[in-house]
Amino acid sequence: QQQVKQSPQSLIVQKGGISIINCAYENTAFDYFPWYQQFPGKGPALLIAIRPDVSEKKEGRFTISFNKSAKQFSLHIMDSQPGDSATYFCAAALGRYGNKLVFGAGTILRVKS
Amino acid sequence: GAVVSQHPSWVICKSGTSVKIECRSLDFQATTMFWYRQFPKQSLMLMATSNEGSKATYEQGVEKDKFLINHASLTLSTLTVTSAHPEDSSFYICSARAGEVADTQYFGPGTRLTVL
Repeated sequence: QQQVKQSPQSLIVQKGGISIINCAYENTAFDYFPWYQQFPGKGPALLIAIRPDVSEKKEGRFTISFNKSAKQFSLHIMDSQPGDSATYFCAAALGRYGNKLVFGAGTILRVKS
Repeated sequence: GAVVSQHPSWVICKSGTSVKIECRSLDFQATTMFWYRQFPKQSLMLMATSNEGSKATYEQGVEKDKFLINHASLTLSTLTVTSAHPEDSSFYICSARAGEVADTQYFGPGTRLTVL
C-alpha cells in the first residue's frame, strides 16, 4: 500500500514533443504528490507538486494531471527539450504532515534533438 | 530556494575504514533530515529519518550500527558509514525539511562513496 508505481521505465521523445510519465498509488491517505528531476551525479530537485484537491497544476512547460478516483497522477512535459533529458521520479507523502516521501522507480527521459 | 549542501561530493576509501558524510541546510533550520541511498539507475531508498537532538529512526533492513546518524544541530546532520565494504558503495543523498510538511523538503547534491 505504500508503493508508488511509475511508468514507463524509459522514454525517448523528439525535441518539441510531449513527454508523459505516469504514476499510480494505492494508499488514499497520500495527499502530496511531487515530481522530482534528477541529473546524473546530482540530487533530485523538486519540479512541480500537487495536492488532491485539484485535478491539474501547470508551471511553465510542466503539468501534473491528477485523477483521485483512479489513484493516478501524471507529468506532462510540453515542447520537450534536450535539456529536459534526466531521470524523473514521482513521489507521494503520507498525510498533511507527511513524514516520508515514497518514491516511484524513476523514468529515464531522453529528448532527441 | 532553500539550499542543502553535502560534503564531500565524492569519497574513495579502503575496505574496513569509516567514512563521514555531512549534510547542511544553509539558509534554513531543518527540524528533520533524511538520508537516502541510491544505486545506479534505481530509485531513492530511505535509510533513516533524524530529528534534531534525538535518535534517528531507521528503515527496516538498515543496520543502525553500520550507518550512524547524528543530527546535533538544526543545520547539520552526519552519516557515518562504519567499517565500509565494497557493497556499501553507492550514492548517498540527504534531504532537509524546514517545517512539518513534505513540501518543505529539499535535497542535497549527493555524495558518491566508492569502497575499494
